[in-house]
Amino acid sequence: SQQGEEDPQALSIQEGENATMNCSYKTSINNLQWYRQNSGRGLVHLILIRSNEREKHSGRLRVTLDTSKKSSSLLITASRAADTASYFCATDERGSTLGRLYFGRGTQLTVWP
Amino acid sequence: SAVISQKPSRDICQRGTSLTIQCQVDSQVTMMFWYRQQPGQSLTLIATANQGSEATYESGFVIDKFPISRPNLTFSTLTVSNMSPEDSSIYLCSVVLSETTNTEAFFGQGTRLTVV
Repeated sequence: SQQGEEDPQALSIQEGENATMNCSYKTSINNLQWYRQNSGRGLVHLILIRSNEREKHSGRLRVTLDTSKKSSSLLITASRAADTASYFCATDERGSTLGRLYFGRGTQLTVWP
Repeated sequence: SAVISQKPSRDICQRGTSLTIQCQVDSQVTMMFWYRQQPGQSLTLIATANQGSEATYESGFVIDKFPISRPNLTFSTLTVSNMSPEDSSIYLCSVVLSETTNTEAFFGQGTRLTVV
């Protein structure tokens, strides 16, 4: 198993701009999930995309998944200062224990007012 | 969704001592997981805690250092034993509500541990 890799490690933008974060992984997956973490606290689930899905939307979030490239992206549109947080992708690997996730290193997003 | 209460939220401990972290879920769940997040790092799974059986530990983690209890379907504890400064991390418990694939995981608010 292999944890995902996110890039960039840090992203700094102005309010109103879009933020794009990328995630790559190395194994076959059931799904890929994105989480947000504020100031080293608990993780908040943002969105889950299944391996047979290519794109998913939730509010200002858009997630894409390319299983041939083993990569995913998270787009946050019209960003707000409250979006400032760390964002992690996590993969549910095929054949792994149900519910067990492998996390990427995360992207620290800072949105300036 | 699930509401997960984790206690304590933070603690500062002396090296050589032990700390027990509690995780309480508002519904019955089969699978519970304990993760560690070292400063500035991602989450690493410590162990899977299943009710009625011994916890399953990941490579690099041992029961003597991180004993886990899972007395029922809504509660688990993780103990960090004989602590050293290297154990300073955020510890998080996680659950999944469904025993089918493609189900999201829910996390507690974490326990921020500082060992001095």
